[in-house]
Amino acid sequence: ELKVEQNPLFLSMQEGKNYTIYCNYSTTSDRLYWYRQDPGKSLESLFVLLSNGAVKQEGRLMASLDTKARLSTLHITAAVHDLSATYFCAVDGQGNLIFGKGTKLSVKP
Amino acid sequence: ETGVTQSPTHLIKTRGQQVTLRCSSQSGHNTVSWYQQALGQGPQFIFQYYREEENGRGNFPPRFSGLQFPNYSSELNVNALELDDSALYLCASSLAFPRTEAFFGQGTRLTVV
Repeated sequence: ELKVEQNPLFLSMQEGKNYTIYCNYSTTSDRLYWYRQDPGKSLESLFVLLSNGAVKQEGRLMASLDTKARLSTLHITAAVHDLSATYFCAVDGQGNLIFGKGTKLSVKP
Repeated sequence: ETGVTQSPTHLIKTRGQQVTLRCSSQSGHNTVSWYQQALGQGPQFIFQYYREEENGRGNFPPRFSGLQFPNYSSELNVNALELDDSALYLCASSLAFPRTEAFFGQGTRLTVV
């Protein structure tokens, strides 16, 4: 059974600081996704990672994938308040997505 | 190109009742998946429909059922509602071949009282 674990589950950051969210998964998969969710809202796609060593960046967020270690990271650079949200990683489990529990990020001034 | 739309956006039902949630897939997409997201949790896969047939199911009881129509829109039906069914229900559409990323609708917030 494919399992996805994220850590930390809660993250309180100061503006301007850097931090990394980790996503481990239990069996091989060829796709990994990162989503952002604001309170009461749906999922916003951030990144799709398709191969080992893939790295994608958008603004202050950078995601990477190591399929051998079954690990993806979401790195936040110089956090700003607008990044406050819950971030989910999800692994493609043969057509359906298996989600982690999410990391609730709070960026404080 | 229209995105994935769900209706209604909010719904309140009484325990024991039945509910139908609707999803219009993104133009050109032939696969629809449904997810349940309880408060403070990640989304859980309910089932997927491809070309009007169920194409995979998560760990949900039979009182969760669905349909997909020829235009690829979909319904999620839940019978005998329980309090624990209160959640955000998300629909996602995608293309099966070549396999594409799934795009999510805005969700339906179901409250069972």
